[in-house]
Amino acid sequence: QQQVKQSPQSLIVQKGGISIINCAYENTAFDYFPWYQQFPGKGPALLIAIRPDVSEKKEGRFTISFNKSAKQFSLHIMDSQPGDSATYFCAASGRGGGNKLTFGTGTQLKVEL
Amino acid sequence: DGGITQSPKYLFRKEGQNVTLSCEQNLNHDAMYWYRQDPGQGLRLIYYSQIVNDFQKGDIAEGYSVSREKKESFPLTVTSAQKNPTAFYLCASTPPGFPYGYTFGSGTRLTVV
Repeated sequence: QQQVKQSPQSLIVQKGGISIINCAYENTAFDYFPWYQQFPGKGPALLIAIRPDVSEKKEGRFTISFNKSAKQFSLHIMDSQPGDSATYFCAASGRGGGNKLTFGTGTQLKVEL
Repeated sequence: DGGITQSPKYLFRKEGQNVTLSCEQNLNHDAMYWYRQDPGQGLRLIYYSQIVNDFQKGDIAEGYSVSREKKESFPLTVTSAQKNPTAFYLCASTPPGFPYGYTFGSGTRLTVV
């Protein structure tokens, strides 16, 4: 069964600090790795995504780091703000999967003042 | 504005009842998906449909049924065979040119009473 393992389950960071969430996958057929942000009572929204032909992608304060050989990728949130407090999901999808996304179990991030 | 509308936002079901969750999109997306979200388990795929009048089971289809009679609509029925239906249900869709670009609805929270 395809899996994406995500850690930590919860994370508390001080305002201005760096939040780091990690994911690992098993299926080498995966070729698209998005991160979603979800606020309570809402559906997830696409935050940033990467393909395995690059090792890093940055959009504003959000950066994905990708290690193809280790089959790991991570989300870094620089200068974390209280408004970043949400649940973050990593996901993966690839050829032969019918465009289905396989999600990690989520990380609840709380940014404290 | 284009988007996905899920209704109702909250739904209560008695033991032994079937209930239907609505999902409507005006994005002209071909593919639609139903996910179930439970605390600590991430999002798990129930059913998906890539075209009208066709749909496939996801990872946890038992106790659920769907139909796709119109491109815009993908209702999910939670049957009495689903033993633990209390969860947050999310509908999503993807466009033909960007099959991994999921747009999610705001979800329906189903509670068994």
